[in-house]
Amino acid sequence: AQSVTQPDIHITVSEGASLELRCNYSYGATPYLFWYVQSPGQGLQLLLKYFSGDTLVQGIKGFEAEFKRSQSSFNLRKPSVHWSDAAEYFCAVGGHRGSTLGRLYFGRGTQLTVWP
Amino acid sequence: GAVVSQHPSWVICKSGTSVKIECRSLDFQATTMFWYRQFPKQSLMLMATSNEGSKATYEQGVEKDKFLINHASLTLSTLTVTSAHPEDSSFYICSARDLSGRAGTDTQYFGPGTRLTVL
Repeated sequence: AQSVTQPDIHITVSEGASLELRCNYSYGATPYLFWYVQSPGQGLQLLLKYFSGDTLVQGIKGFEAEFKRSQSSFNLRKPSVHWSDAAEYFCAVGGHRGSTLGRLYFGRGTQLTVWP
Repeated sequence: GAVVSQHPSWVICKSGTSVKIECRSLDFQATTMFWYRQFPKQSLMLMATSNEGSKATYEQGVEKDKFLINHASLTLSTLTVTSAHPEDSSFYICSARDLSGRAGTDTQYFGPGTRLTVL
């Protein structure tokens, strides 16, 4: 069955520090993978996505993520965090076959706090 | 980029009334839209899949008679919460599936959400 695990509920980093948010997935085929960010009271904004090809994908706002098939992971990274990055981050796997086609399966989210 | 709007952004209603929430894809056509519900500090829970021109597909445990979904055009889906009660208070988010290729392959774009409060 398809599922997404974000092991860290809450992460706190200092502004300017590097960031890595963890995401592990379970899916029966090569997955479509996404990272979304949600600010309080807002919808979700797509940061980046992976469908195929280069396993290191670049997104908006200086974020990148690396797909590692052997580890079933798709961790999100940013070399230097800004205070405006404080938000909730969701990893998702997208179904692309059968009954899962077009559906997104979300992790529970990681809340990022940035100290000045 | 692909933009999805929702209206209203927030609504307060009395118990027993019905509330309609609109979800529009502004610059692409969406044959499929999704409706999610999000409780505070939690992830999104998929409620139903809305398909243009056909009946919505509801997730297990979601009352189809309470949450009416209509997808009358390629850019508009509506969610009507019928006979709303305080336990229906939540943040409702829609997404639209973009298959146009302009935005890459299958990607969902999300609306800004609607905060429903039932008194």
